[in-house]
Amino acid sequence: NAGVTQTPKFRVLKTGQSMTLLCAQDMNHEYMYWYRQDPGMGLRLIHYSVGEGTTAKGEVPDGYNVSRLKKQNFLLGLESAAPSQTSVYFCASSYPPNEQFFGPGTRLTVL
Amino acid sequence: AQRVTQPEKLLSVFKGAPVELKCNYSYSGSPELFWYVQYSRQRLQLLLRHISRESIKGFTADLNKGETSFHLKKPFAQEEDSAMYYCALRGAGSYQLTFGKGTKLSVIP
Repeated sequence: NAGVTQTPKFRVLKTGQSMTLLCAQDMNHEYMYWYRQDPGMGLRLIHYSVGEGTTAKGEVPDGYNVSRLKKQNFLLGLESAAPSQTSVYFCASSYPPNEQFFGPGTRLTVL
Repeated sequence: AQRVTQPEKLLSVFKGAPVELKCNYSYSGSPELFWYVQYSRQRLQLLLRHISRESIKGFTADLNKGETSFHLKKPFAQEEDSAMYYCALRGAGSYQLTFGKGTKLSVIP
C-alpha cells in the first residue's frame, strides 16, 4: 500500500516548456487535489477532482490544466511553464472529504 | 470567504517549555478545523482534527467558536516537534481545505 505517489520528484524546465505531473493513489479515494506550496504562502489549491472524469478549479488555477481519466490518477499539466510556477507541488486524496492524504511532493524549477 | 490566519511565521522555544501555535479563522458557519504537520523534507500529515478531540504526540487543540480560534498546544516541547505546522479549515459541505501560511516551530535543545 503505497498511499499517494508523485512522479517526478524533481524537474527543471525552461520558460515555455511543457510538462505533466502524475499523481497516483491506491486507496480507492474519490477526491483528489493539487496544491502548490510557496514560502510564506502556505498551500494553495490549484485544481481538484471529486471523481473520475470530473475536475474543478481551486484558488490558483491559471496556467495549469488537469485530467482525471482514471480514478487512481490525477494529472497536472503545465502547457507553457513560467518562472512564477517554480514551486513545490503536492497531490492529495481523500474519501470521504475529511482527512487528506498527501504525496511526497514534486519540486519544480522554471528557469 | 473563508480565511485562516497563523500570525507567527517562526516560533522558537526551548526543549521542555510549553508551546502554543496560534490559528484564527474567518468563516460564517460551522467549520471543521485541522492541524497538519510537515517534518523536514517529508510530506504533510494530519496531526489533529477538532471533531476527534484527541491528543496526538502530546498536542491538543480546542475549537473556540467565540474567538474563532483553534490554537495548538503542547505542555513540554521536544526536539522532534521541530517542523512546519499548518492550520486548515473545511467549510460545511465543501471538499476544499483552506490552509494558513504555516508556522515553523523550532525547538532549541
